[in-house]
Amino acid sequence: GQNIDQPTEMTATEGAIVQINCTYQTSGFNGLFWYQQHAGEAPTFLSYNVLDGLEEKGRFSSFLSRSKGYSYLLLKELQMKDSASYLCAVLDSNYQLIWGAGTKLIIKP
Amino acid sequence: KAGVTQTPRYLIKTRGQQVTLSCSPISGHRSVSWYQQTPGQGLQFLFEYFSETQRNKGNFPGRFSGRQFSNSRSEMNVSTLELGDSALYLCASIKGSGDIDTQYFGPGTRLTVL
Repeated sequence: GQNIDQPTEMTATEGAIVQINCTYQTSGFNGLFWYQQHAGEAPTFLSYNVLDGLEEKGRFSSFLSRSKGYSYLLLKELQMKDSASYLCAVLDSNYQLIWGAGTKLIIKP
Repeated sequence: KAGVTQTPRYLIKTRGQQVTLSCSPISGHRSVSWYQQTPGQGLQFLFEYFSETQRNKGNFPGRFSGRQFSNSRSEMNVSTLELGDSALYLCASIKGSGDIDTQYFGPGTRLTVL
């Protein structure tokens, strides 16, 4: 079967750095997405990785290792507004998105 | 540019009833996907429509159906509602037929089945 694993919940301190991991086992791979979802709101796109390596976008970076079936989202200089769920999703061989259950990130002052 | 709109935002139904949810994608976007989101389960893919044709379908029973109109607006229908159908139903708008397009989500319809 297809599987995406993420930690259920993480806690970090304002101003710090946090890394949210995602491991996947899917039938084929055509890229990995990260989305942010604030409570009661729609998911919004953060990043897309299809090649190995690190993609940096301001305070957010996303890393992919296809050989290890592994990705992480790195958030720097954490702000209270970063409190949200972070969803990892993989595009499989049928170009269907397979979603992880999401990681709830709690930021403390 | 207006975002994805979904109506209604909240809905309460009882078991056995049926429900229709509506999604209007971003203007110019031709593809719509539907997801069910429940706590701890993540987003479960329901179906995807492009140019009024169902292009992909998830593993949901036949009680779940959908359609897309010529203006790209989409509806999904759930018949014979069960308690387990209580969830947030999200619609995502995609620009074209490209397989790796970014999905833009609507605010969702929160369905509660009593």
